[in-house]
Amino acid sequence: DIQMTQSPSSLSASVGDRVTITCQASQDIANYLNWYQQKPGKAPKLLIYDASTLEIGVPTRFSGSGSGTDFTFTISSLQPEDTATYYCQQYDTLLPLTFGGGTRVEIK
Amino acid sequence: EVQLVESGGGLVQPGRALRLSCATSGFTFGDYLINWFRQAAGKGPEWVGFTRSRTYGGTTEYAASVKGRFTISRDDSKTIVYMQMNSLKTEDTAVYYCEVGGYWGQGTLVTVSS
Repeated sequence: DIQMTQSPSSLSASVGDRVTITCQASQDIANYLNWYQQKPGKAPKLLIYDASTLEIGVPTRFSGSGSGTDFTFTISSLQPEDTATYYCQQYDTLLPLTFGGGTRVEIK
Repeated sequence: EVQLVESGGGLVQPGRALRLSCATSGFTFGDYLINWFRQAAGKGPEWVGFTRSRTYGGTTEYAASVKGRFTISRDDSKTIVYMQMNSLKTEDTAVYYCEVGGYWGQGTLVTVSS
């Protein structure tokens, strides 16, 4: 199985701060990576696919980069509504699909 | 608008069976691979399995943890995906979601407990 190592597991930042989350795959997954946002009691919401493509309707303060094994997710200016848990997920052809452990983002 | 609505969850004893449904609308059902995911309380999401599109014969793949116990099927005429879950274990307790193209349903809770 492809292991996804996501860090940090949690962070606290102020409104307007730049926030960065990293995700490392245990093997090359090209750009087959999603980033999800999940709020309590809700289903995950897809923010970014193919490592860097913003889903329609998602604010442009969210961005993703990387390929191969190392990926980064950035919120350029943290907003109160961004409080959530964020997950990376790989969808390489090698099953199973796997997720990172999640990053809980809180407002300081 | 893509819509996915899961149903069929509930409380079931270990060793028993349950069938979940995922009713869909808003996209060309037969053209899409559809996933099932689950999420135990306080944990991250976990992939359960999928059914491929009509082009690929609707064939299925499963996570090792459910292979041989869960069966995914699709009814292209009704645009519904099913997941038959047999020999349920306490560790199958989770919210179960169907997903297509990045769209997720609201989930249905399955609780396996005596």
